[in-house]
Amino acid sequence: GNSVTQMEGPVTLSEEAFLTINCTYTATGYPSLFWYVQYPGEGLQLLLKATKADDKGSNKGFEATYRKETTSFHLEKGSVQVSDSAVYFCALTRSGAGSYQLTFGKGTKLSVIP
Amino acid sequence: DAGVTQSPTHLIKTRGQQVTLRCSPKSGHDTVSWYQQALGQGPQFIFQYYEEEERQRGNFPDRFSGHQFPNYSSELNVNALLLGDSALYLCASRPLGNEKLFFGSGTQLSVL
Repeated sequence: GNSVTQMEGPVTLSEEAFLTINCTYTATGYPSLFWYVQYPGEGLQLLLKATKADDKGSNKGFEATYRKETTSFHLEKGSVQVSDSAVYFCALTRSGAGSYQLTFGKGTKLSVIP
Repeated sequence: DAGVTQSPTHLIKTRGQQVTLRCSPKSGHDTVSWYQQALGQGPQFIFQYYEEEERQRGNFPDRFSGHQFPNYSSELNVNALLLGDSALYLCASRPLGNEKLFFGSGTQLSVL
């Protein structure tokens, strides 16, 4: 079946540091890949997505590239801010018409200190 | 424009009881999904409703059931509660054909 593995947290960085959160997946076919973010006390929000190999999703300074050869979708940001402190989830959808069931990783908690 | 709203915010039940959680989707959204998020884990898909019917189901027992109303709102029912059902239950909505899900803040269920 489908699965997502992301790096264990928590991750603590100083403001303006470079961020990488690793994500690898196992899936049949050609899934779409997502990063969701969960701020304290709030619901999950879509951060970025990519729907086919070599696509790059980007939003709010975050980027991730769909690498089919390595089955990866690593999240990166060049300079993190305190406001980026949250839990980040990598996810995929099962490929197939009308299938929008998301499979999530366990999440990586990021804390950014001033 | 209100987003996805869920009620109640918190709930405490005892083993063996039954619980009903409620969700109002974002305006214009006709498809509702439910997810269970255990502490320290990612959300797990329970089921999805469209046109008042269950369309997809994850690996959850029949104790978990749902309903969608004509106004697209939805309920999640869990019977014969177990300690392991303690989790954050998330509702998500989207327009049909759109991959982007909008999540509510969830209902925190504690089973004692």
